Amino acid sequence: DSGVTQTPKHLITATGQRVTLRCSPRSGDLSVYWYQQSLDQGLQFLIQYYNGEERAKGNILERFSAQQFPDLHSELNLSSLELGDSALYFCASSVEFGIAITDTQYFGPGTRLTVL
Amino acid sequence: AQSVAQPEDQVNVAEGNPLTVKCTYSVSGNPYLFWYVQYPNRGLQFLLKYITGDNLVKGSYGFEAEFNKSQTSFHLKKPSALVSDSALYFCAVRAAYNFNKFYFGSGTKLNVKP
Repeated sequence: DSGVTQTPKHLITATGQRVTLRCSPRSGDLSVYWYQQSLDQGLQFLIQYYNGEERAKGNILERFSAQQFPDLHSELNLSSLELGDSALYFCASSVEFGIAITDTQYFGPGTRLTVL
Repeated sequence: AQSVAQPEDQVNVAEGNPLTVKCTYSVSGNPYLFWYVQYPNRGLQFLLKYITGDNLVKGSYGFEAEFNKSQTSFHLKKPSALVSDSALYFCAVRAAYNFNKFYFGSGTKLNVKP
């Protein structure tokens, strides 16, 4: 058990809908990462937050957004869902002091999103 | 284009033999390099990283990787494979000058046979 929790574990929804995925980092970790893993696109980095602020942005679609709250949990919002958004979404956390990105990342179990 | 290549979709090795999983990268400036492992039904795990310093990096479970700047490679190695090492391995590169640029390879499935 990595100490990172993600809810829900599975999510089935329809095209055009909006969903929110939730991630709670390990206690003490300030940084949260979101990743998407799909058969088509492989594993992709979406976005990183550090202590409530956006730190880096990867291949995240405009229909997707994320935020990190004062208690450091993070949510990934996916809207206007398309069939191609079906994927496994992982959250990871790390300690990270200041500008360093050298800390080990700990991954959650993932949320499997199925868009019908 | 900046990217990561894992040229082998699958690597087969006998238990007790050394293993190598290959990774080459292309990124502007200094790279931060990572290996992750994904076990079935157990999610993704961080294995090791190269940030700076010694080119030989040691990680979890007896794995190590060597950063070779001239060949832009970061191959994962283990002297003696275990059946329990069978999993999907991902190499990743992040540009030191731009954290937005964080790319993963397509993954290599490692099969270790008894």
